[in-house]
Amino acid sequence: KAGVTQTPRYLIKTRGQQVTLSCSPISGHRSVSWYQQTPGQGLQFLFEYFSETQRNKGNFPGRFSGRQFSNSRSEMNVSTLELGDSALYLCASSLGDRGFYGNEKLFFGSGTQLSVL
Amino acid sequence: LAKTTQPISMDSYEGQEVNITCSHNNIATNDYITWYQQFPSQGPRFIIQGYKTKVTNEVASLFIPADRKSSTLSLPRVSLSDTAVYYCLVALGNKFYFGSGTKLNVKP
Repeated sequence: KAGVTQTPRYLIKTRGQQVTLSCSPISGHRSVSWYQQTPGQGLQFLFEYFSETQRNKGNFPGRFSGRQFSNSRSEMNVSTLELGDSALYLCASSLGDRGFYGNEKLFFGSGTQLSVL
Repeated sequence: LAKTTQPISMDSYEGQEVNITCSHNNIATNDYITWYQQFPSQGPRFIIQGYKTKVTNEVASLFIPADRKSSTLSLPRVSLSDTAVYYCLVALGNKFYFGSGTKLNVKP
């Protein structure tokens, strides 16, 4: 089976712009969750989608949003970028059968490295 | 206050057993404790998951005491390729949190 695919791998944006990141889960996985990783804050949960519905949400501002399509592929959008949004954004897929993403065996992609200048 | 506590770094030699502990209070009763391994420029990779007592798979063991206020990841006979950052993932209340990560450095 192919693994979790994230595109693009690297992205450079300027403050105030918006960005969309893409994640293709493992075939058969219905849950996709997103994470922000920075040296200072570590791995932080953004949100989780299951069957096109947001099922869990972390403590991030509304500038961070996402969606999931009927084929389970997911996109994450960040509007009005700030310097502090520079981070590695990771998505993970899982079967989605345990209700909470944290109880699942998560399969991560390699991430999108976002730099905001 | 930190939600979970892990040692920042650990050193070991090839062939030794390594134990990494994650401490956490108020862990949710019915949720799992999971450990992940991360190499540079890669996403985390699942190692092992448990709910209570002891779980063992082909790469590691996970020990969870009865009070579930901590968990210990045990890596038997580490090799150079085990040099990585190790994260615990626990449920606190209705949220899940990753630990801050333990950087394991395995020396020859």
